[in-house]
Amino acid sequence: AQKITQTQPGMFVQEKEAVTLDCTYDTSDPSYGLFWYKQPSSGEMIFLIYQGSYDQQNATEGRYSLNFQKARKSANLVISASQLGDSAMYFCAMSAHAGNQFYFGTGTSLTVIP
Amino acid sequence: DTGVSQNPRHKITKRGQNVTFRCDPISEHNRFYWYRQTLGQGPEFLTYFQNEAQLEKSRLLSDRFSAERPKGSFSTLEIQRTEQGDSAMYLCASSSTGTSAFTDTQYFGPGTRLTVL
Repeated sequence: AQKITQTQPGMFVQEKEAVTLDCTYDTSDPSYGLFWYKQPSSGEMIFLIYQGSYDQQNATEGRYSLNFQKARKSANLVISASQLGDSAMYFCAMSAHAGNQFYFGTGTSLTVIP
Repeated sequence: DTGVSQNPRHKITKRGQNVTFRCDPISEHNRFYWYRQTLGQGPEFLTYFQNEAQLEKSRLLSDRFSAERPKGSFSTLEIQRTEQGDSAMYLCASSSTGTSAFTDTQYFGPGTRLTVL
């Protein structure tokens, strides 16, 4: 069964505007971690932000914030004040089974328009 | 912190040949992961080590694939009798000792792109 779903294959955003990338997940584990990674065209996976299943507050890291809605099993990434360098693939990921397994979504391609 | 490194960065081989990839994690990290990423897809989990012990293997890791992490340092991924379907980017990642593995942030290497002709 698919664990992570990213329903937006591609997104466009105007420079300096905010954008939300969607992610829903499925797990029966009470303890899990949710991550977002950025993969530019160069190929390296860059960690952006982490949210634990027991965290009460939404995670924030600079221009990145994670809109965590546990009951809806969603973990959307919000990028504020988009920059041209934000153009990349974005992957949502989840760790489960006590961290022994890790699942990625299919990704969202973000293009920032000048 | 020199980051996670992988060698080679590119490998072209003929079907049926064996290939081996190496990954060096961040030195203080004790958790280690291999992934496979095909074009247009997210990385797919292959296997997980804690120190030198292989704790988890995906069903994707067929009997032609073997991963080792001798002495809990670098890791190798060997693919025997390669098939064209093995063509992909192979990524490794490492993470530090946290209270539990599911909270650890994984840091990825640049990947090894395998092309099987």
